[in-house]
Amino acid sequence: AQTVTQSQPEMSVQEAETVTLSCTYDTSESDYYLFWYKQPPSRQMILVIRQEAYKQQNATENRFSVNFQKAAKSFSLKISDSQLGDAAMYFCAYRTGANNLFFGTGTRLTVIP
Amino acid sequence: GAGVSQSPSNKVTEKGKDVELRCDPISGHTALYWYRQSLGQGLEFLIYFQGNSAPDKSGLPSDRFSAERTGGSVSTLTIQRTQQEDSAVYLCASSEGPEPYNEQFFGPGTRLTVL
Repeated sequence: AQTVTQSQPEMSVQEAETVTLSCTYDTSESDYYLFWYKQPPSRQMILVIRQEAYKQQNATENRFSVNFQKAAKSFSLKISDSQLGDAAMYFCAYRTGANNLFFGTGTRLTVIP
Repeated sequence: GAGVSQSPSNKVTEKGKDVELRCDPISGHTALYWYRQSLGQGLEFLIYFQGNSAPDKSGLPSDRFSAERTGGSVSTLTIQRTQQEDSAVYLCASSEGPEPYNEQFFGPGTRLTVL
């Protein structure tokens, strides 16, 4: 069974600083996709970044980057130069085949001015 | 273009009543998903539609839950004889196709409160 674990229910970061959100997952599949979604108070889930398991290079999107460790089944999100607009719930998710996304329980990120 | 829309935004109902939640996916998207987000939890998969294929209902928690998708577009999630534990945010998502690399675009959700 696929499971996604986010061990940090809450995190805080000073504005302009860097923060890392942790995610681990469990799977027997060799090919899959990993995602980080952001959910602001508006409830709209927004894709932040995605990683394909067969690619060794870590994905990067502007201030967002991941540290993908396939052997350790770890997929952390690094947010650089944190901004007030980054405050939200962040969900790590896993997907294989044509099936649904499996989500972790989320990390609430607070950005301190 | 327009994103995924859901209605109503909020729904309050009494225990035992039936409710219908609507999802309008992005035009042209063949795949449609329903998820449930309970307070303080991640998203839980409910049901998946792909084109004209039979839906994947493996996530529906009980036979009180059903969903349909008419004409490969609009979808309705129906909960019969609602219970208090059904209170949650119900999110719909759509994607261009079923391939795992396709981004799922989410709607704003319907917050259901069962009194």
